[in-house]
Amino acid sequence: DVKVTQSSRYLVKRTGEKVFLECVQDMDHENMFWYRQDPGLGLRLIYFSYDVKMKEKGDIPEGYSVSREKKERFSLILESASTNQTSMYLCASSRRRGDSLNTEAFFGQGTRLTVV
Amino acid sequence: KNQVEQSPQSLIILEGKNCTLQCNYTVSPFSNLRWYKQDTGRGPVSLTIMTFSENTKSNGRYTATLDADTKQSSLHITASQLSDSASYICVVPWGGATNKLIFGTGTLLAVQP
Repeated sequence: DVKVTQSSRYLVKRTGEKVFLECVQDMDHENMFWYRQDPGLGLRLIYFSYDVKMKEKGDIPEGYSVSREKKERFSLILESASTNQTSMYLCASSRRRGDSLNTEAFFGQGTRLTVV
Repeated sequence: KNQVEQSPQSLIILEGKNCTLQCNYTVSPFSNLRWYKQDTGRGPVSLTIMTFSENTKSNGRYTATLDADTKQSSLHITASQLSDSASYICVVPWGGATNKLIFGTGTLLAVQP
């Protein structure tokens, strides 16, 4: 059974703290993604990585950074958490597209982050 | 602009009834479209994929259709169950090897007893 595992289901952090969200996949996928999901806005891409040590900014990268030192692990870092970063964070992975049928993204269970 | 739009935003139906969710896209070039189901507090899970050449595909009580000419897809749920209560998200990939995904904002379905 394929799996994308996020390190925490729920997190509460204080404003200004540095926050690490970890994601691990066991499918040997090249692509990994971090999204945030807010009511009425759907999923918005924060960062994308298509290979180890490679990253691309998504639609809303401000206030975030990422790290991909190993193929299976993709970390999202909130350098200084703010209340407007309270959200559901979803990690996903997928095979690099070579065949249109292989574009399924597999998602983790999500981390609900509250910044107080 | 590459976009995916879904309607309705939310829907309430009684258990046992049928419903249809809509997805319109402007993504080009187009290769496929996926429907995901997202239960409350969980990550989305793929229900079905529609490729360019497919018109209809069933997965149990879920039937997806695709009209590539009008750039529309629908997801029909038959004989709804309480467990169908979820958000249904339409997703279209765009781009070359980097596999960028364009997400709709989803339809929130509530099935009531």
